[in-house]
Amino acid sequence: GQNIDQPTEMTATEGAIVQINCTYQTSGFNGLFWYQQHAGEAPTFLSYNVLDGLEEKGRFSSFLSRSKGYSYLLLKELQMKDSASYLCAVRDKGGGNKLTFGTGTQLKVEL
Amino acid sequence: GAGVSQSPSNKVTEKGKDVELRCDPISGHTALYWYRQSLGQGLEFLIYFQGNSAPDKSGLPSDRFSAERTGGSVSTLTIQRTQQEDSAVYLCASSPRQLQETQYFGPGTRLLVL
Repeated sequence: GQNIDQPTEMTATEGAIVQINCTYQTSGFNGLFWYQQHAGEAPTFLSYNVLDGLEEKGRFSSFLSRSKGYSYLLLKELQMKDSASYLCAVRDKGGGNKLTFGTGTQLKVEL
Repeated sequence: GAGVSQSPSNKVTEKGKDVELRCDPISGHTALYWYRQSLGQGLEFLIYFQGNSAPDKSGLPSDRFSAERTGGSVSTLTIQRTQQEDSAVYLCASSPRQLQETQYFGPGTRLLVL
């Protein structure tokens, strides 16, 4: 099975940088996903890591360390519209592409 | 279609009634997933389909829950004899193939059992 931990909420200032951490314990790992979910809306895909290292995509970057069971999502040049819940999800190695989600980190961007 | 669609968007029902939730995946996506998101909880996996078969039903919380998929496209999640604890947002996702593919989520059905 999987166990995923991420902070419940974070607050940051517009224009700043914020790092959202995710730690996981898994019996089989086959990739880690980050999704963004605005209130009342569907989760939307942000990033995917399966190998160690940093994946950069515009203002968003995601890092993975498999040996430490650790990932982070880095958001740069924060905008008010980045206020949302950020979900960390781990894919099981058992196949089926089933994702196990953390409870999400609610990010509030302030002026 | 352009994205995953779900209906109804909202459903209010009385305890003990049956409900059916529908998911239309992205055209051509062979894998389909159902998740449940309760207030303050993370997304909880329910079941996944590859084509019309369901290799993994491990997340269905009880035998009151069932799902089917026909024609490799539309899926229906049925909850029989609903209970108040079934109140949640039910999300459907699809992906082009089973492995190594991003899942794309629909807007969800908000179910409230009174």
